Amino acid sequence: AQSVTQPDIHITVSEGASLELRCNYSYGATPYLFWYVQSPGQGLQLLLKYFSGDTLVQGIKGFEAEFKRSQSSFNLRKPSVHWSDAAEYFCAVGGRNNNNDMRFGAGTRLTVKP
Amino acid sequence: ETGVTQTPRHLVMGMTNKKSLKCEQHLGHNAMYWYKQSAKKPLELMFVYNFKEQTENNSVPSRFSPECPNSSHLFLHLHTLQPEDSALYLCASSQETDPYNEQFFGPGTRLTVL
Repeated sequence: AQSVTQPDIHITVSEGASLELRCNYSYGATPYLFWYVQSPGQGLQLLLKYFSGDTLVQGIKGFEAEFKRSQSSFNLRKPSVHWSDAAEYFCAVGGRNNNNDMRFGAGTRLTVKP
Repeated sequence: ETGVTQTPRHLVMGMTNKKSLKCEQHLGHNAMYWYKQSAKKPLELMFVYNFKEQTENNSVPSRFSPECPNSSHLFLHLHTLQPEDSALYLCASSQETDPYNEQFFGPGTRLTVL
């Protein structure tokens, strides 16, 4: 069965510092991987996705993620965090092998210090 | 604005009440989804509709009853709920159910069951 683990429930970084949010997945075939962001009172918005090809994926708002098959990881990074990046971040895995379902992680809450 | 609207945004109901959640998408998509988001837990997929036909019911209790009259509208009818059903209920839509298609989320309905 597919699953996603986000080891960090809450992360605090200073504005301007770099950021890395961890995501580990379990999937029996080639996974489709996603990162979503949820601001307070909002639904989820897609930041980026990986299906195939280049393992370093660029997304919106200056985010990127790297797919590492050997580590079953898809970590999200940003070189310099802005106060507006404070939100909840969700990693998800899906694929055609499982009724097209996506499985989400429990999320990582990001706090940005001034 | 993602093109997916949900009403009401907040709902408080007693265990014996009957209420309905509404979702509308203005994106011309063919697939619609209901998710349950509880604190500190991964997003849970509840129902999937593709071209108005229910294609998935993830073992959801019968006190939750979905309805999809057309590809633009999705309802979740609620009756005799339990306090543990209190959560944020998110609606999403995508062009097709294939995970290659991005899902667009509404802002959610915050449900409290007393």
